Amino acid sequence: EDQVTQSPEALRLQEGESSSLNCSYTVSGLRGLFWYRQDPGKGPEFLFTLYSAGEEKEKERLKATLTKKESFLHITAPKPEDSATYLCAAPPGGGADGLTFGKGTHLIIQP
Amino acid sequence: NAGVTQTPKFQVLKTGQSMTLQCAQDMNHNSMYWYRQDPGMGLRLIYYSASEGTTDKGEVPNGYNVSRLNKREFSLRLESAAPSQTSVYFCASSDRRGWTEAFFGQGTRLTVV
Repeated sequence: EDQVTQSPEALRLQEGESSSLNCSYTVSGLRGLFWYRQDPGKGPEFLFTLYSAGEEKEKERLKATLTKKESFLHITAPKPEDSATYLCAAPPGGGADGLTFGKGTHLIIQP
Repeated sequence: NAGVTQTPKFQVLKTGQSMTLQCAQDMNHNSMYWYRQDPGMGLRLIYYSASEGTTDKGEVPNGYNVSRLNKREFSLRLESAAPSQTSVYFCASSDRRGWTEAFFGQGTRLTVV
């Protein structure tokens, strides 16, 4: 069964305190690993897609990396505006459409 | 740029009532999706449409029907609402099936009492 599991469920950091969020997946024939950001009351907003192990992508204070079994979202020197829920997702195996989402990591950055 | 627009934003229904959630995208995308998001469950796919005129079931299709009216519009219908359908519903679109980034609407918060 395809699964996308995120940890931790919640993370509270001080402003400037770097950390990483984890996404582990068991999807046959991975066709991409997606990261989204979701603010309260809003729809998910696309951040990154990673397609192969070893790939890295960066955007401001965020960097996403991918291995054969998991992906990490590294947050460097975060600011309060980085507070959000971060979602990881992958297309299901077998060629089906749509995305299988993890339950998300709720990140709070305290000033 | 509107992107993906959903209506309504909020709705309260009584058990057994019916309603249609509307979704429209202006990005000329081929694929459109309906997800529901529940606390502790994450986002789950209800139905999707890979192109105009086609629809397919996702993970949780029971109790829902969809219509891909044209390339822009994809509606979700609840024929007889149940309290278990209380959720936040998101419509999304993408250019090429599921392995390109999807763009999401702002969501419809539905409560069934």
